[in-house]
Order: sequence, then structure tokens, then C-alpha cells
Amino acid sequence: DVKVTQSSRYLVKRTGEKVFLECVQDMDHENMFWYRQDPGLGLRLIYFSYDVKMKEKGDIPEGYSVSREKKERFSLILESASTNQTSMYLCASRGQGANEQYFGPGTRLTVT
Amino acid sequence: SQQGEEDPQALSIQEGENATMNCSYKTSINNLQWYRQNSGRGLVHLILIRSNEREKHSGRLRVTLDTSKKSSSLLITASRAADTASYFCATDAQGAQKLVFGQGTRLTINP
Repeated sequence: DVKVTQSSRYLVKRTGEKVFLECVQDMDHENMFWYRQDPGLGLRLIYFSYDVKMKEKGDIPEGYSVSREKKERFSLILESASTNQTSMYLCASRGQGANEQYFGPGTRLTVT
Repeated sequence: SQQGEEDPQALSIQEGENATMNCSYKTSINNLQWYRQNSGRGLVHLILIRSNEREKHSGRLRVTLDTSKKSSSLLITASRAADTASYFCATDAQGAQKLVFGQGTRLTINP
């Protein structure tokens, strides 16, 4: 079974802090994705990566950056956390040529 | 921007009844997928229907796709309390590398 893990289930950070959210998948998938989920807005794509060191902006990249130094790991970085980045963050992966995305359990981030 | 739009936003039914959720989208697609999300958890893939298919079944799930109307429906038959979750449609647009998710339907099954 594909497993996607995220470093934290719950995280509380202060405004202005630098925040790292880590995602690891164990199925050698080429494609990895970061979404944020907010009530009434569904899932919105922040960034995705289709290969090591490659990244593409999604629909809402502002205030975020990503890093993919190894195939199995995709990190989301909040350079200077703000209260409007309080949200549920979901990581997903997908194999090349495949259709289904596999999701991690999510990280609920609160910025105070 | 969100392409998939689910309807209704929330649905509450009695255990044993059938639940129907609808999804509309805007552009041409390769396939449409449905995912389930239990409260506070990640999404789980349920079923995929390709653009050249009209109907697909998997257990108690039945999905239809009408490309002329750019819409899909997910039917869950003989609902159970464990079906309580949010359900999302996601479209895999032609030429795109990413899925576009709708806002979801919150389904509650009352015992």
C-alpha cells in the first residue's frame, strides 16, 4: 500500500515564524502536491513537483515556497507565517502516468 | 480556480437510504474522480470514470458522467453510518498535470 506521511498532525506557530511542513511518500512517485483546505473553499493547490528539484506553482503560491531535494520528500515552507495561513495542509503523491492521488493525513496549522 | 462544483453542499439522510451527489465542471477532461474524506483526515480515492465512459460501478458506488452537460453524479446505495464523510469530485483536465477539486459535499448518515 502507498503510504504518505506528514511530519505533524497539529502545529501551532506564531506570526512571523518560518514554518516547515514535511511530506514523505514510500512508493517512488514522481509527482507530489501540496494543498490547503479551508471551509467553503475546498482544496486549493499551492505547489506541485513532477521530479526532484522541479516545482510548479499552483493556484495560490503566494506566501509559500517548496523544496524537493529527494524524490520521496516534498517540503512546504512558510517563510513568515501569517494568521491567514491558518488552515489544514494536505500532501499528496501520484505515480507517473497514473490517475489516482494518494493523500497524507493532513497537518492542521494554527498561526497565532 | 475550482473547476468542480458539488451539489448539494450538505446532505443528511437516514441509514439505508440512497445518497446522490452531483458535480459540474467547466473544461474538457480526461477523467473524473471521486474522493472521500473522513473528518480531519486525508482524502481517499473511491472511483474514476474516463471521459469515454458513461457509467461505472464499484460495490455500493455508482458513478455517471455526462460530458455534454459537463456533469457527474455519485450514488451511494444502502447507506451506512460509516459513509458519513465529505465527498469531492476531481477533474483531470486535458493537458494538465494536476487535479482540480470541487468544494465537496458533506454527507451525514443518521442511524
